Amino acid sequence: AQTVTQSQPEMSVQEAETVTLSCTYDTSESDYYLFWYKQPPSRQMILVIRQEAYKQQNATENRFSVNFQKAAKSFSLKISDSQLGDAAMYFCAYASGSRLTFGEGTQLTVNP
Amino acid sequence: DSGVTQTPKHLITATGQRVTLRCSPRSGDLSVYWYQQSLDQGLQFLIQYYNGEERAKGNILERFSAQQFPDLHSELNLSSLELGDSALYFCASSVGPRDKQYFGPGTRLTVT
Repeated sequence: AQTVTQSQPEMSVQEAETVTLSCTYDTSESDYYLFWYKQPPSRQMILVIRQEAYKQQNATENRFSVNFQKAAKSFSLKISDSQLGDAAMYFCAYASGSRLTFGEGTQLTVNP
Repeated sequence: DSGVTQTPKHLITATGQRVTLRCSPRSGDLSVYWYQQSLDQGLQFLIQYYNGEERAKGNILERFSAQQFPDLHSELNLSSLELGDSALYFCASSVGPRDKQYFGPGTRLTVT
């Protein structure tokens, strides 16, 4: 079974600084997708970024980028120029078919 | 706003009762997914439908059932409710089984 592990239950960052959230996963599949979702206090699940496993190039969405290390089964999220609105729970997720398997989440605090 | 709608937003009911949660996917999306987010179990995949057909099943209890109608909206039926069923239930939709999933705002179910 696929598992997703987020080893940092909580992280904090100063406004305008950069923070990296870690995620590792375990799978025997070769074709899969990885995601980061953000869940602010409103509890809405917001897709932040998506990475296809067959692509070597790391995905980027504005201030959000990933470091995808396929051999190491690692998928970290880097948030640059952190803003107060980035404060949320961040979930790493894996999909080889259609279902998403989520990690436990990392609570990110942004300090002004 | 993801374009996925869920009703009701909140539901409070008693143990042993039955409830129905409703989801309307984004326009053009054929796949609908249901997820449960609880404090002790985290975010878990329950079930997926694609164009009216059940495609994948996750950790869905036998007391729970779902369906997707010809107009592509979906309903999740929860019966013989127990205190442990209290959770946030999300619906997500995507164009196809391997595309990005967009989440609705969730239905918060409280069983008393």
